[in-house]
Amino acid sequence: GNSVTQMEGPVTLSEEAFLTINCTYTATGYPSLFWYVQYPGEGLQLLLKATKADDKGSNKGFEATYRKETTSFHLEKGSVQVSDSAVYFCALSDTRGSNYKLTFGKGTLLTVNP
Amino acid sequence: DAGVIQSPRHEVTEMGQEVTLRCKPISGHNSLFWYRQTMMRGLELLIYFNNNVPIDDSGMPEDRFSAKMPNASFSTLKIQPSEPRDSAVYFCASSLFVGTSNQPQHFGDGTRLSIL
Repeated sequence: GNSVTQMEGPVTLSEEAFLTINCTYTATGYPSLFWYVQYPGEGLQLLLKATKADDKGSNKGFEATYRKETTSFHLEKGSVQVSDSAVYFCALSDTRGSNYKLTFGKGTLLTVNP
Repeated sequence: DAGVIQSPRHEVTEMGQEVTLRCKPISGHNSLFWYRQTMMRGLELLIYFNNNVPIDDSGMPEDRFSAKMPNASFSTLKIQPSEPRDSAVYFCASSLFVGTSNQPQHFGDGTRLSIL
């Protein structure tokens, strides 16, 4: 079955530090890959996505590249801000079969200190 | 544009009571999802509707849980009778299913449910 493994948190950084949150996946088909962000007291918001190998998703300074050879979709940002403090979820959606289902990682809590 | 709207935002009730959670999806979306989020189990898909029809309810924990979608703009998730282990944040999400795939899901702000 499909699964997503992301690095366990919490991750604590100082403002302007470089961020990497690792995500690897297992899928039987050809998944689309997503990063969602959850701010305190809110629902999940789509941060970025990639639908095929070597695609790079980007938004708000965050980037992730779909690496089929390493089955990875690591999230990066060059300079984090206090406002980036949130929980980040990696997810996949199989494009064949049950393509409505999102399989989520367990989430990584990021705290950015001023 | 209005996003996914859930009510209530918070619910505290005693064990054994009936709980009804409500969701209004984004207008024009034809897929609706109910999720449960806990510290122990993370995000779990409970049920998925497409065009108001339940397609996959394999994630519904047991018969105490039921979900309906009487029309394209409203869905309910009901727990009867409720138990303390049902305490969690329940999210509703909607998306547009086009062709053979779903567009990204949009989430509501959730209902934080506490069963005493």
